[in-house]
Amino acid sequence: DIQMTQSPSSLSASVGDRVTITCRASQSIGSYLNWYQQKAEKAPKFLIYAASSLQSGVPSRFSGSGSGTDFTLTIISLQPEDFATYYCQQSYTTPPTFGQGTKVEIK
Amino acid sequence: EVQLVESGGGLVQPGGSLKLSCAASGFTLSGSSMHWVRQASGKGLEWVGRIRSKTSNYATEYAASVKGRFTISRDDSKNTAYLQVNSLKAEDTAVYYCARHGPWDGLDVWGQGTTVTVSS
Repeated sequence: DIQMTQSPSSLSASVGDRVTITCRASQSIGSYLNWYQQKAEKAPKFLIYAASSLQSGVPSRFSGSGSGTDFTLTIISLQPEDFATYYCQQSYTTPPTFGQGTKVEIK
Repeated sequence: EVQLVESGGGLVQPGGSLKLSCAASGFTLSGSSMHWVRQASGKGLEWVGRIRSKTSNYATEYAASVKGRFTISRDDSKNTAYLQVNSLKAEDTAVYYCARHGPWDGLDVWGQGTTVTVSS
């Protein structure tokens, strides 16, 4: 199975900050990388597919980049509603696997 | 509104069984692959399995941790997918989500989840 490793596991940031989360795959996955946001006690929400394509309705302050094994999710100008846990997921091969999550907390 | 609603969770003894349902509304299930993902309390997301659409002969795939114990099925006429969970273990305790495979990639629609608790 492909292992997905996110860093950091958690971070503290303030409203208005720029936040970057990294996701690394244990082998090359091309651009088969998706990102999700999950708030406490809620289902995950789909943010980005194919490494950099924004899902419809997702604010443009979210962006994704990368290919191969290294990927990033960037949130420019963090908003109060962005405090949540973020997961990357590879869809290159079965089983699809998730990173362990990055919790974005209020500083 | 595009929506998925899970049901069927509950408290079950080790070795027991449950059948979880995932009812779709606002879209036709038949054209989509459907996934099940679970999340133990305080833990991350774990993919459970997938059932593909009719065009892919309803092929199923499972995580190694549940293969042989869990079965995914679907009834497109009822716009519903199912997850039959058998031989349950304590480590199967989790919130179970169903999710639609999006038209481009990724899981674009998620249900609210249903909780399965395995305990004596």
